[in-house]
Amino acid sequence: IAGITQAPTSQILAAGRRMTLRCTQDMRHNAMYWYRQDLGLGLRLIHYSNTAGTTGKGEVPDGYSVSRANTDDFPLTLASAVPSQTSVYFCASSLLAGEAGELFFGEGSRLTVL
Amino acid sequence: GQNIDQPTEMTATEGAIVQINCTYQTSGFNGLFWYQQHAGEAPTFLSYNVLDGLEEKGRFSSFLSRSKGYSYLLLKELQMKDSASYLCAALNSNYQLIWGAGTKLIIKP
Repeated sequence: IAGITQAPTSQILAAGRRMTLRCTQDMRHNAMYWYRQDLGLGLRLIHYSNTAGTTGKGEVPDGYSVSRANTDDFPLTLASAVPSQTSVYFCASSLLAGEAGELFFGEGSRLTVL
Repeated sequence: GQNIDQPTEMTATEGAIVQINCTYQTSGFNGLFWYQQHAGEAPTFLSYNVLDGLEEKGRFSSFLSRSKGYSYLLLKELQMKDSASYLCAALNSNYQLIWGAGTKLIIKP
């Protein structure tokens, strides 16, 4: 089934540990995004990539890094996790660059940092 | 600043009609999106409006007034499966999405 796959679905990790959330899409979309969703707040953009080989910072990039080595994969890394990074993380993609087009979301990764 | 306002929660009865309002303030404007998100699931696209007026898509319709900075999502013939959160998001002049916190819609039999 075409779409976006995220892994892991859920993870608990200790503060200070390094963690990479994986995201793969098979729709050949140019643009990919990472959002976090916290209760009572709207989705917040962490990082984005308009095309393979390029990345940009979103609204809340501190403590996170991304890479876009190819069209399909867009991993998100927390170099040293902190409790405030406890959240649900959604990867998304769109055919159009920027956030101008319909976004297709993965199922989310629920991360708890203790 | 830029912000989106939408009610936190609404309750409606199965078979009825409900209107979910959204007001926005953004730096420029390039359109308004509505997404549906069932609990524990990913958001899914419902509609996009960039011109004033009503866009109808089956049981769901979306309205936009650019001069008022206002949109609404209208759901007709409500079904239990419509219980979800509805996210409003405005696209600003830099093609950045500004998201509302979402409206949780509860459908009662």
